[in-house]
Amino acid sequence: GDSVTQMEGPVTLSEEAFLTINCTYTATGYPSLFWYVQYPGEGLQLLLKATKADDKGSNKGFEATYRKETTSFHLEKGSVQVSDSAVYFCAFKAAGNKLTFGGGTRVLVKP
Amino acid sequence: GAVVSQHPSWVICKSGTSVKIECRSLDFQATTMFWYRQFPKQSLMLMATSNEGSKATYEQGVEKDKFLINHASLTLSTLTVTSAHPEDSSFYICSAHTGTGMYTEAFFGQGTRLTVV
Repeated sequence: GDSVTQMEGPVTLSEEAFLTINCTYTATGYPSLFWYVQYPGEGLQLLLKATKADDKGSNKGFEATYRKETTSFHLEKGSVQVSDSAVYFCAFKAAGNKLTFGGGTRVLVKP
Repeated sequence: GAVVSQHPSWVICKSGTSVKIECRSLDFQATTMFWYRQFPKQSLMLMATSNEGSKATYEQGVEKDKFLINHASLTLSTLTVTSAHPEDSSFYICSAHTGTGMYTEAFFGQGTRLTVV
C-alpha cells in the first residue's frame, strides 16, 4: 500500500552543520511530495513541495528534489540553526487530497 | 498564506464528558477538511475527511459514533469527542485545502491537545 518511510530520529546536530533527512515513498502514479515542519506544541507548516519528477522544492535554506527513479525526496540544509529544531515530516498527496505522512524525524540543533 | 484556526489549543476534561474542537478556515472557503490524530512522538494519522454539507468519511478503525464530525459551513468543521476516556488523550490537528487538482495546498490548524482525566 501507499506509504512514506523517513529516517528515524532524533537527529542531533551542532549549529552550522549539514542536515540530511532521507525520505522514500511508495505510491501509485505520480504524487506531489511535501516536507512539513512542526515546532513544539504547534500544527504543521508546509516547508517545501515538488509536484513532478526532477522538481526541486526550496525554502528557508532547505531543499529537496523529487527523484522518481529512486522514489525519494530527501531533505537537505547546508547550515542549520538552533531555530531549525523541530520535527520534520515527509508526505505525499495522491488522489482525493489525502496526505500520507512519514513517521517524522525530530531534529535538535545545539548551539 | 491561508490561515486555519483551531480552537481550543488545549483542553482538559473528565472521563465521560464530550469535547468539541473547532476548525475554521479564516480567509478561504474549504469544501473539504481533514482531521488527524497524533500520538506522542508519532506521525499524523488521518481520522476522517470532513465534507461540507454531507457526512464525513471515516478511515478504517475510527469510530464514527465516538468522533462526531460536522461540517456545517464552508469555513467551519467541528470534531466532537463523545464520552471521552483517557485513551482519547492526544493531539488533534485539522487541515483545509485551497486550490484544485495538483495545485491544492494543505493548511493546518495549530492543533488541540486533549487530556482526559
